[in-house]
Amino acid sequence: QKEVEQDPGPLSVPEGAIVSLNCTYSNSAFQYFMWYRQYSRKGPELLMYTYSSGNKEDGRFTAQVDKSSKYISLFIRDSQPSDSATYLCAMRNTGTASKLTFGTGTRLQVTL
Amino acid sequence: GAGVSQSPSNKVTEKGKDVELRCDPISGHTALYWYRQSLGQGLEFLIYFQGNSAPDKSGLPSDRFSAERTGGSVSTLTIQRTQQEDSAVYLCASSSELSAPLHFGNGTRLTVT
Repeated sequence: QKEVEQDPGPLSVPEGAIVSLNCTYSNSAFQYFMWYRQYSRKGPELLMYTYSSGNKEDGRFTAQVDKSSKYISLFIRDSQPSDSATYLCAMRNTGTASKLTFGTGTRLQVTL
Repeated sequence: GAGVSQSPSNKVTEKGKDVELRCDPISGHTALYWYRQSLGQGLEFLIYFQGNSAPDKSGLPSDRFSAERTGGSVSTLTIQRTQQEDSAVYLCASSSELSAPLHFGNGTRLTVT
């Protein structure tokens, strides 16, 4: 079993929809949680960075962490075609010098 | 530079040849990481540098893989006697300190024929 599980999709939604992307994990030592967006043939780009449990909002993006359930989510409001990309969750614990463990990524397609 | 720069962007090589992949991190970033991304797979950690030393080489898949970093800046990942299973996108990332998030380059797409 992988340390981080992420539904690969693809997920197709109409423009303007609310998108929910999720990851589950097994390592209870993970403390830092990130979401990256990756366009085709580009490197991952950091979207959200959170520590421990709770919510964080940045524009149309909201990240949620539920450590008791070992479950993290990324919500995208008013989705746009430009949001079409692969979304990767990543996480690490405090003692691993920034070594991140990634999910496999969810491919999102926002249609007109 | 403005971001992490990797070269070449694409590399096609014959099985058995050696390849060198280069990473130029964001100026001032002391930490540098190499990851590998294969089709349908998540990012696989290879090696991490803090300055010129590599405290964590645990992700290097075999002794055909090596990496170095000189002057606390540019890093080179070398794959000797390449195999077809080495075909992947090799991503480099840097960060300003241990707790800071990683900033990635666009990767080198390696194809071994």
